[in-house]
Amino acid sequence: GAGVSQSPRYKVAKRGQDVALRCDPISGHVSLFWYQQALGQGPEFLTYFQNEAQLDKSGLPSDRFFAERPEGSVSTLKIQRTQQEDSAVYLCASSLARTGFFETQYFGPGTRLLVL
Amino acid sequence: AQSVTQPDIHITVSEGASLELRCNYSYGATPYLFWYVQSPGQGLQLLLKYFSGDTLVQGIKGFEAEFKRSQSSFNLRKPSVHWSDAAEYFCAGTPTDSWGKLQFGAGTQVVVTP
Repeated sequence: GAGVSQSPRYKVAKRGQDVALRCDPISGHVSLFWYQQALGQGPEFLTYFQNEAQLDKSGLPSDRFFAERPEGSVSTLKIQRTQQEDSAVYLCASSLARTGFFETQYFGPGTRLLVL
Repeated sequence: AQSVTQPDIHITVSEGASLELRCNYSYGATPYLFWYVQSPGQGLQLLLKYFSGDTLVQGIKGFEAEFKRSQSSFNLRKPSVHWSDAAEYFCAGTPTDSWGKLQFGAGTQVVVTP
């Protein structure tokens, strides 16, 4: 079946612009994660949803970052007033996990954001 | 602090030679551990995972990993590498009481020479 998809794959933004990154998880996956991967680094956790509930947003680097998953499926990561330090690959992952269980996370191809 | 460490930033290996990538973890109890591979422009693909039980884990593409509690390690191995194994490899972990927030190492870049 289809995997996790993300759009756009590449985004160039001018400093100060707002951007929205979309993630379509695998159908039926309850949990959805966003990670940020800076150049030459491993991914860093940003936020986690279980269905439409955002259960952990401890990794969001500032209040300019906002994520939502209103219907428990597609998720959008929004970055307001982008800064150059926001340049990174943003990875989305989904899993079947429900509370108390751990399931494998499947990753999308990522959105590469470049802020000029 | 809970973490995963990959000591080797870059490894060069000849095609057909064996490969071992190191991963050390720091958790209070045995965590869930994973190895992912990332090719240029691609997302992370799961190679294998350790939850419990047999400490030698078999994965896809001929990879295996061994969990060693005494050394807090989860090293990845392949007996004979192929040119297509050139990629970046990430070790990741999460506490067993976690809902799934993965912590990744910094990655090891593998270059395969003819």
